[in-house]
Amino acid sequence: NAGVMQNPRHLVRRRGQEARLRCSPVKGHSHVYWYRQLPEEGLKFMVYLQKENIIDESGMPKERFSAEFPKEGPSILRIQQVVRGDSAAYFCASSPKGTASSNQPQHFGDGTRLSIL
Amino acid sequence: AQSVAQPEDQVNVAEGNPLTVKCTYSVSGNPYLFWYVQYPNRGLQFLLKYITGDNLVKGSYGFEAEFNKSQTSFHLKKPSALVSDSALYFCAVRDENFNKFYFGSGTKLNVKP
Repeated sequence: NAGVMQNPRHLVRRRGQEARLRCSPVKGHSHVYWYRQLPEEGLKFMVYLQKENIIDESGMPKERFSAEFPKEGPSILRIQQVVRGDSAAYFCASSPKGTASSNQPQHFGDGTRLSIL
Repeated sequence: AQSVAQPEDQVNVAEGNPLTVKCTYSVSGNPYLFWYVQYPNRGLQFLLKYITGDNLVKGSYGFEAEFNKSQTSFHLKKPSALVSDSALYFCAVRDENFNKFYFGSGTKLNVKP
């Protein structure tokens, strides 16, 4: 059973470039979450998606950041015109399809470490 | 508002001694509570969860956690710490009415030989 797969594991970009982070959830999972983690800090929620829908994007910066989870293919977190402050580890998690009463934990990928030069 | 607090940034314990990592929570409905562990350069790994039932929950690697409704706490415990337990530990809560998880700020556990 493949877990959550994130790629690339490391990504280096220069200021002003675009960063695209990919996340393939556990097979059969239709809920995807993106988090950001700064060094020695906790996880900050960014966005929660189901297939083709953004459910909660309250943690996403209003500009430059976007996320999608298409019907086919991985979820993508896109950061346009990156700045030094975007340097962080970005984690994706998935959970099974279910009602709001699902008691399933999230399954995490190993993250993408984004470095901005 | 839903939230989780981990009051200790770091916990130091000697190998073989018992350990406790603290977590308190706030949710509007019944809580679903989780503990995760993170090793360097890795994602979070699920340790255990409380949904309902016995207040003492047993999980992976000999860890357990005690749910205390009156104190709104869910402390992580282990009777005898190992050096290999050294890692970053996160408490998380989900409100039964929502699918969003709230994570604490993490506690770094250092187990000294």
